[in-house]
Amino acid sequence: EVQLVESGGGLVQPGRSLKLSCLASGFTFSNYGMNWIRQAPGKGLEWVASISSSSSYIYYADTVKGRFTISRDNAKNTLYLQMTSLRSEDTALYYCARGITRWDYWGQGVMVTVSS
Amino acid sequence: DIVMTQSPSSLAVSAGETVTINCKSSQSLLSSGNQKNYLAWYQQKPGQSPKLLIYLASTRESGVPDRFIGSGSGTDFTLTISSVQAEDLADYYCQQHYSYPLTFGSGTKLEIK
Repeated sequence: EVQLVESGGGLVQPGRSLKLSCLASGFTFSNYGMNWIRQAPGKGLEWVASISSSSSYIYYADTVKGRFTISRDNAKNTLYLQMTSLRSEDTALYYCARGITRWDYWGQGVMVTVSS
Repeated sequence: DIVMTQSPSSLAVSAGETVTINCKSSQSLLSSGNQKNYLAWYQQKPGQSPKLLIYLASTRESGVPDRFIGSGSGTDFTLTISSVQAEDLADYYCQQHYSYPLTFGSGTKLEIK
């Protein structure tokens, strides 16, 4: 059974950093591109970042470029999102999702709250 | 950036009715190389993660009921839900996978009368 389990969220002050993880199981993680998507409370979905299976290709939304870093460790079946210089507008539920043109599996999400 | 304009923002229907949700992209999502449209539809039920319904504009994901139909090409796309059921209460989003940055429509909230 394919599973994606996010962790690492929490309450953080503006300007601080946080690192999210997404542990994958039930499939060959190294064969798939992966993504981070977020959803602010009561709002719609916003794509954050994508990484190819071998980390050769990485893309970011303009809203996080220069502050967030997506990475992966295929040996550990884990996707990461390093978030720095956090702002109140980064407050959201962060999901990881599998795939490139077809996001067929999503995690349950992890909440990040940026507030003083 | 490709802007995805989704309509309506909300609608309320009775069980058994047919629903149409529209999605328009500011640029064509049709690849000239393989003639595929890089448009997906997701369903998000209250308190749940999004679920893939349709990809490549009209291909139904495995396990999705056949009352969910995706259609369209180029810049205009439609998600049709025939014979709506109470369990279809959800938010629906279109998304383009054609080029980065990837973008979503603003969503359609489906309510059941």
